[in-house]
Amino acid sequence: SAVISQKPSRDICQRGTSLTIQCQVDSQVTMMFWYRQQPGQSLTLIATANQGSEATYESGFVIDKFPISRPNLTFSTLTVSNMSPEDSSIYLCSVEGVGRIYGYTFGSGTRLTVV
Amino acid sequence: GNSVTQMEGPVTLSEEAFLTINCTYTATGYPSLFWYVQYPGEGLQLLLKATKADDKGSNKGFEATYRKETTSFHLEKGSVQVSDSAVYFCALIIGAGGTSYGKLTFGQGTILTVHP
Repeated sequence: SAVISQKPSRDICQRGTSLTIQCQVDSQVTMMFWYRQQPGQSLTLIATANQGSEATYESGFVIDKFPISRPNLTFSTLTVSNMSPEDSSIYLCSVEGVGRIYGYTFGSGTRLTVV
Repeated sequence: GNSVTQMEGPVTLSEEAFLTINCTYTATGYPSLFWYVQYPGEGLQLLLKATKADDKGSNKGFEATYRKETTSFHLEKGSVQVSDSAVYFCALIIGAGGTSYGKLTFGQGTILTVHP
């Protein structure tokens, strides 16, 4: 399965600032996904990032708040913009495995605290 | 729509006890089912999977059987260890078609704590 490197692993940020999270995969993948895990909660899909096209956002998430880049088949970034304490979460990227039925691989996550 | 419901936690067990974490689902198509585990401070790891009815996924002593008739995928382990302490997530994915294609739907997670 793919190996994902996600940076930073954690950060503490001031409200009103922005943070860009990087996700690097060791193989080319078509679809990459960004999830948010709020404290004590399950994972919620933010958006799907496809190379060469605009990201597709889920209900409740907008591009102005969570801009995503996907410049090639092994890399993506998620920016959390104009942060507030409510954005404190773990953010995870994910890629599909060898065929979707084989499950998805997740990065180790970025633990974000906004103060 | 698609949804996954897990038994409420947290679950606290003594070492070598039997573990069951219930998971039921609703899906608009024919899903593949997964259990993911999240150890403290880490990301998610795929624990096991099943892609069709009556399939049994197994890994590290954990098992789960895809029961289409009861729309369930309960996780079991015969003898838990302290190192199994983690959060366990049941999830599904629809194999093809529709707006949910390729997207994992997760349950709320169950915290498991195993004491020596």
